Amino acid sequence: GENVEQHPSTLSVQEGDSAVIKCTYSDSASNYFPWYKQELGKRPQLIIDIRSNVGEKKDQRIAVTLNKTAKHFSLHITETQPEDSAVYFCAAKSKGSSNTGKLIFGQGTTLQVKP
Amino acid sequence: NAGVTQTPKFQVLKTGQSMTLQCAQDMNHNSMYWYRQDPGMGLRLIYYSASEGTTDKGEVPNGYNVSRLNKREFSLRLESAAPSQTSVYFCASRAGTANTEAFFGQGTRLTVV
Repeated sequence: GENVEQHPSTLSVQEGDSAVIKCTYSDSASNYFPWYKQELGKRPQLIIDIRSNVGEKKDQRIAVTLNKTAKHFSLHITETQPEDSAVYFCAAKSKGSSNTGKLIFGQGTTLQVKP
Repeated sequence: NAGVTQTPKFQVLKTGQSMTLQCAQDMNHNSMYWYRQDPGMGLRLIYYSASEGTTDKGEVPNGYNVSRLNKREFSLRLESAAPSQTSVYFCASRAGTANTEAFFGQGTRLTVV
């Protein structure tokens, strides 16, 4: 089955710097890679996702890149702000029947942005 | 629009007790999931249901059972709770017809003493 590894487990940056979180996956059939942000005490919420037919996607200060050959994908946050402080999860969805495969998450990265 | 609703929000159980966590979604989604969240372990998939009438094991199914009661509801049952099942449990749902976003419930904090 799918296995997702996420690094680093914690990341501390100065406000205004960039932050990069990396994930690797094991199932070459995986075709959907979302990123979730979870603020303290709240539920995870989608911030950006990428499908396997795309190499990069941007949304304002957030970008995700996907390397299918190496089976890894990364989240890039530029010009970080204190409100970016949260736990970030990557995930990979293997292609099950009717696109309803399992959604497997990484271990999470706690990002701290220092003012 | 309530989205995904879980009950209860908090629960304390004694070892050996049983309980059912309830989850309901009002988005007409096909797929539903149960995850547990533990420090440093991320979100681990317990069981999922790709569509009404089907359920499949995830990464950590031992000690749990599920029921997809109808398209809206997906319950998680602990038959004999153990301290190792102390965790925060999240239910989630996806449309399931394409690679689309998963929406999470607010979570259930379960403590087994």
